[in-house]
Amino acid sequence: GAVVSQHPSWVICKSGTSVKIECRSLDFQATTMFWYRQFPKQSLMLMATSNEGSKATYEQGVEKDKFLINHASLTLSTLTVTSAHPEDSSFYICSAVHGTRPNNEQFFGPGTRLTVL
Amino acid sequence: QKEVEQNSGPLSVPEGAIASLNCTYSDRVSQSFFWYRQYSGKSPELIMSIYSNGDKEDGRFTAQLNKASQYVSLLIRDSQPSDSATYLCAVGGKLIFGQGTELSVKP
Repeated sequence: GAVVSQHPSWVICKSGTSVKIECRSLDFQATTMFWYRQFPKQSLMLMATSNEGSKATYEQGVEKDKFLINHASLTLSTLTVTSAHPEDSSFYICSAVHGTRPNNEQFFGPGTRLTVL
Repeated sequence: QKEVEQNSGPLSVPEGAIASLNCTYSDRVSQSFFWYRQYSGKSPELIMSIYSNGDKEDGRFTAQLNKASQYVSLLIRDSQPSDSATYLCAVGGKLIFGQGTELSVKP
């Protein structure tokens, strides 16, 4: 299998607080994980690439000091939204690269819906 | 700017018909191509991957790739109401997604 989990599945927080989202590959090791954000009626937008044991690579326009990514093990990456504001409300989805699949197929977690009040 | 283009739809087909979804991409050196299905409020689910020119069949799904034309398509045979979802085309190792095509299968 290729199962990816995310926690929490949804979170509501007050403006100015920080929120941590976990992404885990449950039955395989993932040296690379990706973080996406999806606004309603829009496609997925890649935020950053997370590599185990090294700093994340952020896409243009994504603030690295606001979206902190840590990939401390081969099965866990975390995204922390710092000082969240209402415009950060979105559906955050991670994916993990399955290294033994052809062309390193990505498998997605179930997503985390963040609402900032 | 690497781009992936899809018709946003909605595409409406009757139950039992063939649904045809199309995607074009701009990066000529892309080597991997994927179709994901996304139900409302859920994350994408990989349904097909294709890496070489031609057709690849998996059950009711057939992916077609034409690298010369920079075109990839997905055919869904015997469409079912449960196939109603948004279908996302994605290209490359670091996935670049199209905007998705909303498919509606009418009973």
